[in-house]
Amino acid sequence: DGGITQSPKYLFRKEGQNVTLSCEQNLNHDAMYWYRQDPGQGLRLIYYSQIVNDFQKGDIAEGYSVSREKKESFPLTVTSAQKNPTAFYLCASGQGSPTEAFFGQGTRLTVV
Amino acid sequence: AQKVTQAQTEISVVEKEDVTLDCVYETRDTTYYLFWYKQPPSGELVFLIRRNSFDEQNEISGRYSWNFQKSTSSFNFTITASQVVDSAVYFCALSGERTYKYIFGTGTRLKVLA
Repeated sequence: DGGITQSPKYLFRKEGQNVTLSCEQNLNHDAMYWYRQDPGQGLRLIYYSQIVNDFQKGDIAEGYSVSREKKESFPLTVTSAQKNPTAFYLCASGQGSPTEAFFGQGTRLTVV
Repeated sequence: AQKVTQAQTEISVVEKEDVTLDCVYETRDTTYYLFWYKQPPSGELVFLIRRNSFDEQNEISGRYSWNFQKSTSSFNFTITASQVVDSAVYFCALSGERTYKYIFGTGTRLKVLA
């Protein structure tokens, strides 16, 4: 089945560590996105990529990094510079505006 | 700047009641797109509808209906005869014609009580 796969579903990180969240899609979509969801704040855009080997910062990119080496993959690294990384992270893909974005099931990251 | 406001943080209704979720948006684009998504407890956002700025016709899909009014910059969502399975967080989102960014509201948590 076509869709977006995020892994892992739950992730625990010690302070000072970098962690990478995986996002893979087999929908052949050009655009991919990473959003962060915190209670009461909706979804905030971290990074997005319109094509392979290109990506742009969203509204809250500080402390995060991404790569887009393959069309189907858009991993997100949460670095130690991210001061408050505990959140729910959602990956999405789409053919860009105006079509709808398709979302993965999310990764819940907790700093311990 | 683009912005989406969902003023209702949480709504509780009894099953079979009708409920309307409000969405107000701001944009300077003449062409833009509005979306509604449902987020069940599993976490994945499920697409419900897309509407472009040139199409102000209301839409009905089963128990769901949407009212788009450019004059008030609103794109409200009504669930008729609500059911417990409708319990979720609902997000309204906005996108421009040439932007690949989707701007989301803060969401409305709907609780439908049996």
